[in-house]
Amino acid sequence: AQSVTQPDIHITVSEGASLELRCNYSYGATPYLFWYVQSPGQGLQLLLKYFSGDTLVQGIKGFEAEFKRSQSSFNLRKPSVHWSDAAEYFCAVVRSGGGADGLTFGKGTHLIIQP
Amino acid sequence: EAGVTQFPSHSVIEKGQTVTLRCDPISGHDNLYWYRRVMGKEIKFLLHFVKESKQDESGMPNNRFLAERTGGTYSTLKVQPAELEDSGVYFCASSQAWYSYNEQFFGPGTRLTVL
Repeated sequence: AQSVTQPDIHITVSEGASLELRCNYSYGATPYLFWYVQSPGQGLQLLLKYFSGDTLVQGIKGFEAEFKRSQSSFNLRKPSVHWSDAAEYFCAVVRSGGGADGLTFGKGTHLIIQP
Repeated sequence: EAGVTQFPSHSVIEKGQTVTLRCDPISGHDNLYWYRRVMGKEIKFLLHFVKESKQDESGMPNNRFLAERTGGTYSTLKVQPAELEDSGVYFCASSQAWYSYNEQFFGPGTRLTVL
């Protein structure tokens, strides 16, 4: 079965600084990978996804992620964070590796922005 | 276009009582998913409907949970009788066609507290 690990429960970053949130997955083949963000009181919003092709994917709100097969990682990055980026971020993989199946999530990373 | 809606937003019940959560997916979406997040844990998949049929219910914790999707439109998740460990946030998501991966759109969740 697939699993997703987000090793950092909390990350604190100064406004304007760069950000990298880590995600490692466990799956034999190339999975469908996602990053979601949840702001307080809101549902989860998709930031970006990777299915195949170019390993560097661009998402909304200035985020990008890089798929590295050799490291089983899909880390999320942003060159300069804004106070509005404070939220909880989730890495996820499709349960079966593809298709319209449900998602397996990591435990999430709380992003705190310092002024 | 309206997003995924969930009702109620909060529910507080006593152990042993029954609670029914409702999810209205985006109109025309074949797939409907239920997830749950218990405090401090990851978001966990519960089940997946394709139209009115249960495609995958392997994540349902036990037979106290009953999910239905009437006519392939809205869905209900009933917990009967509720136990303390059922407390958490229940998310619903929907996506378009069943035959390939499409983005899952999440509702804001229902926070269930069992006392």
